[in-house]
Amino acid sequence: QKEVEQDPGPLSVPEGAIVSLNCTYSNSAFQYFMWYRQYSRKGPELLMYTYSSGNKEDGRFTAQVDKSSKYISLFIRDSQPSDSATYLCAMSASGGSNYKLTFGKGTLLTVNP
Amino acid sequence: GAGVSQSPSNKVTEKGKDVELRCDPISGHTALYWYRQSLGQGLEFLIYFQGNSAPDKSGLPSDRFSAERTGGSVSTLTIQRTQQEDSAVYLCASSHTGQGGHGYTFGSGTRLTVV
Repeated sequence: QKEVEQDPGPLSVPEGAIVSLNCTYSNSAFQYFMWYRQYSRKGPELLMYTYSSGNKEDGRFTAQVDKSSKYISLFIRDSQPSDSATYLCAMSASGGSNYKLTFGKGTLLTVNP
Repeated sequence: GAGVSQSPSNKVTEKGKDVELRCDPISGHTALYWYRQSLGQGLEFLIYFQGNSAPDKSGLPSDRFSAERTGGSVSTLTIQRTQQEDSAVYLCASSHTGQGGHGYTFGSGTRLTVV
């Protein structure tokens, strides 16, 4: 079992839909949870960052962390064609190794106009 | 520069040749990281630099892979005697010390193809 599991999709939705992306993980030492967006032939860019459990909202994006279930989610409201990209979840432990990210494989999202 | 710069953006090499990949981090970022993104795989950690030293090389897949960083700035990832399984996108990231993974800025990567 990989440390981080993420459904690779692909996921195709109409413009304006609510998108739900999620990851599960097995390492209870993970404390930092991130979502990255990666456009084709570009590097990943940080979308959302959450420490420990809870919710975080930024505009149309909401990140949720449930450490008891080892499950994280990213919700995108009012999705736009410009949201079409690969979404990667990433996690790291606290302390001296917090620099080291463990990534999911990514979910390819297409938002159709 | 404004972002993390990687060169070349694409590299095609013959099996058995050596390749060098370059990363120019954001000015002032003391931490630098290399990751590899293979088809069907997530990003895999390769190596972490703090200044010019590499306290964590645990992700380098074999002794054919090495990396160095000079002047606390530019880093070079070298792959000797390339194999087809080395084909991947090699991504570099940098961050301020202490920011951890959420402080990364990634470059656009070098797409390596070994034929």
